[in-house]
Amino acid sequence: QKEVEQNSGPLSVPEGAIASLNCTYSDRGSQSFFWYRQYSGKSPELIMFIYSNGDKEDGRFTAQLNKASQYVSLLIRDSQPSDSATYLCAGAATGANSKLTFGKGITLSVRP
Amino acid sequence: SAVISQKPSRDICQRGTSLTIQCQVDSQVTMMFWYRQQPGQSLTLIATANQGSEATYESGFVIDKFPISRPNLTFSTLTVSNMSPEDSSIYLCSVEDLRKGSYEQYFGPGTRLTVT
Repeated sequence: QKEVEQNSGPLSVPEGAIASLNCTYSDRGSQSFFWYRQYSGKSPELIMFIYSNGDKEDGRFTAQLNKASQYVSLLIRDSQPSDSATYLCAGAATGANSKLTFGKGITLSVRP
Repeated sequence: SAVISQKPSRDICQRGTSLTIQCQVDSQVTMMFWYRQQPGQSLTLIATANQGSEATYESGFVIDKFPISRPNLTFSTLTVSNMSPEDSSIYLCSVEDLRKGSYEQYFGPGTRLTVT
């Protein structure tokens, strides 16, 4: 069974710190990975995606993918209280029209 | 990204009744996906809807309970039939915005369903 696991959490960091969110996956056929942010009562919002091994940076966010170890991570630099939300990791097989398999999510709280 | 709308945004329904949820996209998309998010849980894929063919259902979801229509490339409906309190969830549609040349999926605002 294809699984995406986010086992740690909830996570609390002080404002300005780096928040590190981790995710592992069991299906080696998964090629694409996505990080969604979900505020309470809202739908998931895509913030990062990564297809290749290594790091991908976008502003304060860095996604990291290690296919050999089957893990994906999201780093949030200079964390802000507005980053407080649930972060969902999702994996998909490569290509268009691929269904997403979601982890359970991790709740991040950034303390002012 | 694609602009996705859903109707209704929320509803309270009595058990045994059915509710049809609409999903409208501002661009033509090949696939539309329907997810369920139960209270405090992550997202679970219900089915994938391709225009012009039957929807493909995930394990644990059946067409009689969740019939789906996909009449054109910008619209889909999901019906939750013969509802019970266990169907109380947020129902979300998503699409891939292939105009960007990649495979990111974007979600609609969701429909919050409460069954009493």
